[in-house]
Amino acid sequence: DSGVTQTPKHLITATGQRVTLRCSPRSGDLSVYWYQQSLDQGLQFLIQYYNGEERAKGNILERFSAQQFPDLHSELNLSSLELGDSALYFCASSSGTGNTGELFFGEGSRLTVL
Amino acid sequence: AQSVTQLDSHVSVSEGTPVLLRCNYSSSYSPSLFWYVQHPNKGLQLLLKYTSAATLVKGINGFEAEFKKSETSFHLTKPSAHMSDAAEYFCVVIHTGGFKTIFGAGTRLFVKA
Repeated sequence: DSGVTQTPKHLITATGQRVTLRCSPRSGDLSVYWYQQSLDQGLQFLIQYYNGEERAKGNILERFSAQQFPDLHSELNLSSLELGDSALYFCASSSGTGNTGELFFGEGSRLTVL
Repeated sequence: AQSVTQLDSHVSVSEGTPVLLRCNYSSSYSPSLFWYVQHPNKGLQLLLKYTSAATLVKGINGFEAEFKKSETSFHLTKPSAHMSDAAEYFCVVIHTGGFKTIFGAGTRLFVKA
């Protein structure tokens, strides 16, 4: 158990809809990262937050947004969903500001868009 | 610019035989290198890391990796495969102090009984 909790584990929705994925980092970790994993694109970094502020941005679509709250949990919002957004979305956390590479991953939220 | 290439998308071995998963990296600066493992329907777990100390790094579950600067490689090895090693393995590079973690495409390891 990594200590990172993601909900929901599975989500099925329709095109055009909006969903919110939630992540609780390990106790004491201030950084949260979001990744998307799909068969065709592999593991793609989306965005990182540190202590409530956006720290780094990767290949995140404009239809997607994220935030980190004062209690350090994070939410990833996906809107105007398309079939291609079907993927496994991982949250990871780490303790520092800079990226040491030591990430603790949740078990992911599997999104299916029909 | 940093990048990482995992040379094999799939590797199949028999139980009890050695495992070799190959990774080459490109980095303009001294890199930090990692291997992560992902078991089916699970999140990724750190297997081992290299951060400019000893070039031979030992990780969990009997895995180790050797950093070879002249070859820009960081191959993952295990002397004897176990059925429980069947998983996907990711090589990762990061410029020390940077904010971007670069994951390789992954190598799926199959272990035959």
